[in-house]
Amino acid sequence: GDSVTQMEGPVTLSEEAFLTINCTYTATGYPSLFWYVQYPGEGLQLLLKATKADDKGSNKGFEATYRKETTSFHLEKGSVQVSDSAVYFCALCTSSGNTGKLIFGQGTTLQVKP
Amino acid sequence: DVKVTQSSRYLVKRTGEKVFLECVQDMDHENMFWYRQDPGLGLRLIYFSYDVKMKEKGDIPEGYSVSREKKERFSLILESASTNQTSMYLCASSGDGRDEQYFGPGTRLTVT
Repeated sequence: GDSVTQMEGPVTLSEEAFLTINCTYTATGYPSLFWYVQYPGEGLQLLLKATKADDKGSNKGFEATYRKETTSFHLEKGSVQVSDSAVYFCALCTSSGNTGKLIFGQGTTLQVKP
Repeated sequence: DVKVTQSSRYLVKRTGEKVFLECVQDMDHENMFWYRQDPGLGLRLIYFSYDVKMKEKGDIPEGYSVSREKKERFSLILESASTNQTSMYLCASSGDGRDEQYFGPGTRLTVT
């Protein structure tokens, strides 16, 4: 079945460091891909998305490119801040009729130190 | 902005109790979802609904049921709570099949 695999955390970086969180997927068809972020004590917020191959999603300095040939959607940011400390989830959406079901990776905890 | 609200942020129940978790969305979304979140396992889909009174099982429906009597409200029911249902429960809604889902703040349920 469809699945998402993320790099294991926690990832600990110093402020202004470069961030990469790897995400690969297995899916039949052409899923939409998402990155969600969860700050401590909160629900998930959509960070960015891409709906077709070669699309680049971007938001708040984060970017991810939908790579069909490598089935990947790696999250990157050029310079992280302490406020980026959170759990990041990669997800794919497969449509079933009118309803899309999200399949999540296990999440990667990012801790940014000043 | 889309708003998804959940009835409680924290809940403590005893084994065997019947537990109701309520979720309300204000964007007239057709689709609503219940997930549970556990460390190391990510989010797992319990049930979802694509219309009023319609429901489908997700990946882990055992021990749960749902109710959707109105479009904006989706309830998760634990018929007889057990300790292995201690978890964070997240509700979400979406407007279309491939749209992003909007999440509520979560309910942390502890069953003792």
